[in-house]
Amino acid sequence: QVQLQQWGAGLLKPSETLSLTCALYGGSFSAHRWGWLRQPPGQRLEWIGEIIDSGITNYNPSLKSRVSVSMDTSRNQFSLHLSSVTAADTAVYFCARLYTDAWDYWGQGTLVSVSS
Amino acid sequence: SSDLTQDPVVSVALGQTVRLTCQGDSLRTYYASWYQQKPGQAPLLVIYAKDKRPSGIPDRFSGSRSGNTASLTITGAQAEDEADYYCHSPDRSGNRVFGTGTKVTVL
Repeated sequence: QVQLQQWGAGLLKPSETLSLTCALYGGSFSAHRWGWLRQPPGQRLEWIGEIIDSGITNYNPSLKSRVSVSMDTSRNQFSLHLSSVTAADTAVYFCARLYTDAWDYWGQGTLVSVSS
Repeated sequence: SSDLTQDPVVSVALGQTVRLTCQGDSLRTYYASWYQQKPGQAPLLVIYAKDKRPSGIPDRFSGSRSGNTASLTITGAQAEDEADYYCHSPDRSGNRVFGTGTKVTVL
């Protein structure tokens, strides 16, 4: 049974870098894309970016200049880095697996707040 | 535009049928997936590839598509179906887009 468990700092100051990690249990990275999504309070879900096991990435154009998604297959983990955060980046962040253009397994979510 | 538009709020009587819609140009080419989200929880995939249900999803959930509109139908709505529902689709640029969301209330 695939499980995703995520962690990272929940409180940041403006201009800092958001860093989250997602660990995969019960599966392997091959044959799927692995992504990050977020949901600001009271708003819809937003796709941030994704990666496959070859290291190829794909990012939301609106965030591309600040986003980096990486993968450590030896640790069965993938990570999100979002630089120069502002209050607009306050959201619950999720990691998830992409299967047939659908997100079928999700992490538990991490609330990240940006405040001075 | 690659945006996906949903009705903000929909109500359904217990045991009745409700259809949620999702409109967008990308749906003419790509299949929608649908997610149920309850407060404080991660989204749950209920329909993918237009009309397929993941294991464990009740068969009262079904999906369809016509033109630029994808639909999620709940046949015989239950109290536990009260939640926010989001559609999702890739677009022709390879981006992933979520719909504006529908809040479903079961009366």
